[in-house]
Amino acid sequence: EVQLLESGGGLVQPGGSLRLSCAASGFIFSSYAMNWVRQAPGKGLEWVSSISGSGGNTYYADSVQGRFTISRDNSKNTLYLQMNSLRAEDTAMYYCARDYSGNYPRGADYWGQGTLVTVSS
Amino acid sequence: DIQMTQSPSSLSASVGDRVTITCQASQDIRNHLNWYQQKPGKAPKFLIYDVSNLETGVPSRFSGSGSGTDFTFTISSLQPEDIATYYCQQYDNLPPVFGGGTKVEIK
Repeated sequence: EVQLLESGGGLVQPGGSLRLSCAASGFIFSSYAMNWVRQAPGKGLEWVSSISGSGGNTYYADSVQGRFTISRDNSKNTLYLQMNSLRAEDTAMYYCARDYSGNYPRGADYWGQGTLVTVSS
Repeated sequence: DIQMTQSPSSLSASVGDRVTITCQASQDIRNHLNWYQQKPGKAPKFLIYDVSNLETGVPSRFSGSGSGTDFTFTISSLQPEDIATYYCQQYDNLPPVFGGGTKVEIK
């Protein structure tokens, strides 16, 4: 059974940093691209970032480019999102989601339950 | 970026009704379109990929059609457990973009 478990969310001040983690199990982690997708309170879904199965290719939304860094450790079956220079508009539930592609982001076939990030003073 | 416009933004229908949601892309996305279901307080669930292919385990009352810029998602007979918000998503170009969502309620 595919399982994705996010952690690392919380309350942070504007300008601060957080590192999200997503522990994956139930599939060959290195064979799949992985995504972070967020959802602001009461709003729709927004793709944030993706990384290929090997980790060699990364992709970012313009809204987080230069502030967020996606990475993965295939030996630990874990996905990360380092978030720096956080802004109030980054407040959202952050979902880790497996892509059904191995390389280029196409679609998220399995999702974690999410971790909430709140940016506020 | 490609824009994805869903309509309606919300709808109310009776159990057993046929429900149709449309999704329009701002440019040709070929068949690179997925659909998701999100129930209140839950993570999204992957329903349909490449316009019309049902993910394993998804009931056959769900279907999708279309190509190019105009796409349709249909629930052939609405069930109480289908109460959710539905999103389309394109992946023809980066960034992947979701539609604004359609909230489906029971009348």
